[in-house]
Amino acid sequence: KAGVTQTPRYLIKTRGQQVTLSCSPISGHRSVSWYQQTPGQGLQFLFEYFSETQRNKGNFPGRFSGRQFSNSRSEMNVSTLELGDSALYLCASSWGLIYSNQPQHFGDGTRLSIL
Amino acid sequence: SQKIEQNSEALNIQEGKTATLTCNYTNYSPAYLQWYRQDPGRGPVFLLLIRENEKEKRKERLKVTFDTTLKQSLFHITASQPADSATYLCALVSTSGTYKYIFGTGTRLKVLA
Repeated sequence: KAGVTQTPRYLIKTRGQQVTLSCSPISGHRSVSWYQQTPGQGLQFLFEYFSETQRNKGNFPGRFSGRQFSNSRSEMNVSTLELGDSALYLCASSWGLIYSNQPQHFGDGTRLSIL
Repeated sequence: SQKIEQNSEALNIQEGKTATLTCNYTNYSPAYLQWYRQDPGRGPVFLLLIRENEKEKRKERLKVTFDTTLKQSLFHITASQPADSATYLCALVSTSGTYKYIFGTGTRLKVLA
């Protein structure tokens, strides 16, 4: 069974640009969640999508947004990039919502560098 | 402030010994707590989940305890092996009031041969 796939693996952007990251969940999983991981702040929850609807949200500015398609694939968009957005962005999928005691299956992330 | 802390940034132990990692939280009412393993350049891998009304869970050489009075979870790896070397993360889900999904700071475990 294929795991969670994130594309691209590496990305370099400049300040002010926007970026879209992609996540393909494990087949059959309907929940997709996104995370930011940095050395200073650790792993932080961004948001969770289930059945094409955002169900839960972390404490990030509106520049971070996402969406989920009918096949459960998800994209995350960051607009007006800042230097502090440099991070590893992780996606995870599960059968049900995070708060329903579901373990998260993570992809290997997209490493985003802002110049 | 609300936070979840893991005992130390790095922990070195000898092969064959039991590694004990700590996860402490404040100002949360967790519904459950998860433990993950993360290797360099990879995403976290789920290991164990323990609910608020459970005291202990086991899986092979792994054991997790949960003490809601102390606001602490302990993660044990018995008969540790060099292959157990990785960063271990705890994560707390709180559903009382505003939903929260918070990760700990992580402990980098190194098992010495």
